[in-house]
Formats: sequence, C-alpha cells, structure tokens
Amino acid sequence: QSALTQPPSASGSPGQSVTISCTGTSSDVVAYNYVSWYQQHPGKAPKLMIYEVSKRPSGVPDRFSASKSGNTASLTVSGLQAEDEADYYCSSYAGSNNFVFGTGTKVTVL
Amino acid sequence: QVQLVESGGGVVQPGGSLRLSCAASGFTFTTYGMHWVRQAPGKGLEWVTFIGYGDGSNKYYADSLKGRFAISRDNSKNTVFLQMNSLRPDDTAVYYCAKGAPIDFDFWGQGTLVTVSS
Repeated sequence: QSALTQPPSASGSPGQSVTISCTGTSSDVVAYNYVSWYQQHPGKAPKLMIYEVSKRPSGVPDRFSASKSGNTASLTVSGLQAEDEADYYCSSYAGSNNFVFGTGTKVTVL
Repeated sequence: QVQLVESGGGVVQPGGSLRLSCAASGFTFTTYGMHWVRQAPGKGLEWVTFIGYGDGSNKYYADSLKGRFAISRDNSKNTVFLQMNSLRPDDTAVYYCAKGAPIDFDFWGQGTLVTVSS
C-alpha cells in the first residue's frame, strides 16, 4: 500500500488561508469516505483535526475545514495563526483492513 | 479525559525482540479498538496494526510486517500490547498507540522510541 501524496510544504501569512492536498487512488481516497487529517507539532503526538472527510471533532476550531473530490482530499486552514505551524498528515482507510497515511506537509506561518 | 501511555521502548540489537505496552484510561476500554502507528526519525506516519474491541479477536497488520509483530489486549488492565520480533534497523521509530474511532485515530499517546542497532 503506497502512501498518499501530499506536498512537502505550504505556507501563508497570519490571517491568510492555506490549502493542503492529499492524493490517493481508487483503492483508498476514492473508494471510502474515511479520510482524516492530523496535526503534529514537533516532538508531539498527532492530533485528529478532521474525520470522515469533513467532520471536525469537538474542540477543533472551525478555521479547519476539509473536502474530497475524486482521488484528492483537501484540508484548508483559514485565518492562519502562529500555532497552526505544524506538520499535517492525511489518512485514508484502504480496504481489506488496511490504513494508509499521507507523506506529510509542513505548514509554515510566515 | 482520554489518556494513553506507552512504555517498553529502548535499544535492541537486530534480530531481537521487544514488547511495548499502552495503558489506557478515561474511556470504556473494552468498547474500542486500538491501533499502533509508528514514525521513523524525521519521517511520516505508518500504520502498523489494529486490534478490535471486546475480546480482540479481530487483528489486522500492515503487509510490510510479514508476521513479525503481534498485537494483543488485556481488558482487565486496560492495556494493549505490541510484541515485536526479528527486529531490523528499519523498525527504528517512535511507536504510538491510538484509540480507534474505529476508522480514525481519535486520541494518541505520546509514543515510545524503539531503536534497533548493534
């Protein structure tokens, strides 16, 4: 199972928006509405930010939104804040009781 | 609140074995499946294995592990385990346990570092 493809980096100024893509295949992102997104600060554990393509867990700011179209899922962070600077990973269920993560995107707040 | 605390990491020689533990609290442990996910130094996340809720009879593994790893759970101790055998240098990583939602990983522990080196 190959990793989902994410851009290595993305950036934006405070208050701006940044969008991260996550490209998969017909076996994972296309086939299932089980795409999730995780935020990871350096040296910390990942944190669930989005589940089932576009749902936000309790406590996650509504500045974080996500969607899916075809084989590509996207995470948008609006109104960028300094604390949003982190690595972001997408994940998808890949069928046959397998799970796959994205390659990760480092978001920099300029 | 949900807490997951991993332990058991350390330095092991190639070909050796190690058993990781993940102690859970703050939720009804028996009603959730649990995952292990690893992250090699400076690299991305890699799903390792999942054990289902209840008696844990459902167990799934990443194909790349080729039977070297085994997951189990002890509901009396609210703990999930990862037995790792025939360890290789490329198994070096931080190993996280994560609560299954069940398809998503909704809470994560802080991880335990496993280093495979001679």
